[in-house]
Amino acid sequence: RKEVEQDPGPFNVPEGATVAFNCTYSNSASQSFFWYRQDCRKEPKLLMSVYSSGNEDGRFTAQLNRASQYISLLIRDSKLSDSATYLCVVNSDDGQNFVFGPGTRLSVLP
Amino acid sequence: DTAVSQTPKYLVTQMGNDKSIKCEQNLGHDTMYWYKQDSKKFLKIMFSYNNKELIINETVPNRFSPKSPDKAHLNLHINSLELGDSAVYFCASSPPWANYGYTFGSGTRLTVV
Repeated sequence: RKEVEQDPGPFNVPEGATVAFNCTYSNSASQSFFWYRQDCRKEPKLLMSVYSSGNEDGRFTAQLNRASQYISLLIRDSKLSDSATYLCVVNSDDGQNFVFGPGTRLSVLP
Repeated sequence: DTAVSQTPKYLVTQMGNDKSIKCEQNLGHDTMYWYKQDSKKFLKIMFSYNNKELIINETVPNRFSPKSPDKAHLNLHINSLELGDSAVYFCASSPPWANYGYTFGSGTRLTVV
């Protein structure tokens, strides 16, 4: 099983839609979780950390399910500017660094 | 005032050449990294380095070597470049506390011809 898995998409949604991405991870001992966003031909940028109790930042909500080893990202009221690839990030099996998922591509359509 | 800066942004070179990519961070972070993003967009760790320890991903060919003159710099040297080395290389840094995540440089797009 790969360390971090995501549905590659693409997810094509209309403006204003709500969209959710899931990510599964293999390391049951992982303690740190993030969502990054990467625009085309740009570097990944931290979108939000994911906390055990779940957390919200404006239109974005992140959830963690330790028992099932998955994290999710919910985007409400999608904007055109949300179009990007969303990367799930988990600390590695050896705890030395972070492992990036392959990313889920989102296209928000007018 | 760029936090993590890499140079060059683009690098086109011939097979067999030796090249270097430079990275500098002004965030005072303890750990720096090199990641490779291939044509399928997978981001894979190559090296992580702080002033005490270099951790190498064992899948990285020994033609790749990181060099750190000080805590704020981690350069990547590549010898005998091959076509398969073509990718985007990202430098990143992070502080010691786990929940901060990484700050990435803008990437170096390497094309080997």
